[in-house]
Amino acid sequence: EDQVTQSPEALRLQEGESSSLNCSYTVSGLRGLFWYRQDPGKGPEFLFTLYSAGEEKEKERLKATLTKKESFLHITAPKPEDSATYLCAVQAVSNFGNEKLTFGTGTRLTIIP
Amino acid sequence: DAGITQSPRHKVTETGTPVTLRCHQTENHRYMYWYRQDPGHGLRLIHYSYGVKDTDKGEVSDGYSVSRSKTEDFLLTLESATSSQTSVYFCAITDRDNSPLHFGNGTRLTVT
Repeated sequence: EDQVTQSPEALRLQEGESSSLNCSYTVSGLRGLFWYRQDPGKGPEFLFTLYSAGEEKEKERLKATLTKKESFLHITAPKPEDSATYLCAVQAVSNFGNEKLTFGTGTRLTIIP
Repeated sequence: DAGITQSPRHKVTETGTPVTLRCHQTENHRYMYWYRQDPGHGLRLIHYSYGVKDTDKGEVSDGYSVSRSKTEDFLLTLESATSSQTSVYFCAITDRDNSPLHFGNGTRLTVT
């Protein structure tokens, strides 16, 4: 069974204080790993897809990296508007298609001005 | 938003009553999904559709049914609502089944 574990559950940072969120996964074969951002009262918003170990993607202050066991979402010099819950999801090779996505429970990030 | 509208945004209903949630998209995407989101759980798939009149069950489909008579609309029905179905329901769409999902803003359903 595919599993996704995100840590920490919640993280509070001062504005400008860089840190990383972790997504550990267990799948029979990784087809893709997805990062989403979710604001309160909103649906998840797609950020990145990573397909193979060593791959990196960047968007503004966010950088996602991937190894064979985990993914990190690095946040550099965060601003209050980066406050949100960040979700990770994995899709396994043997279970091709979005109907087999497994989501983590998310990390709730708060950036204090 | 990727042209996805969920209605209603909030609903309170009583145990045993039928409830229908609607997802409407303007993107002409083939694939549509219904998820529920609960504290302590990741998003869990209820049902999905891969075309008009083509639907299938997800991980937590018991107590739910769906219909898709037009490309743009995907309906989720709770035939007889129970308190365990109190949740936030999200609709998602995509143009290919291995592409990232685009989500609506959800329906918060409370069953009393």
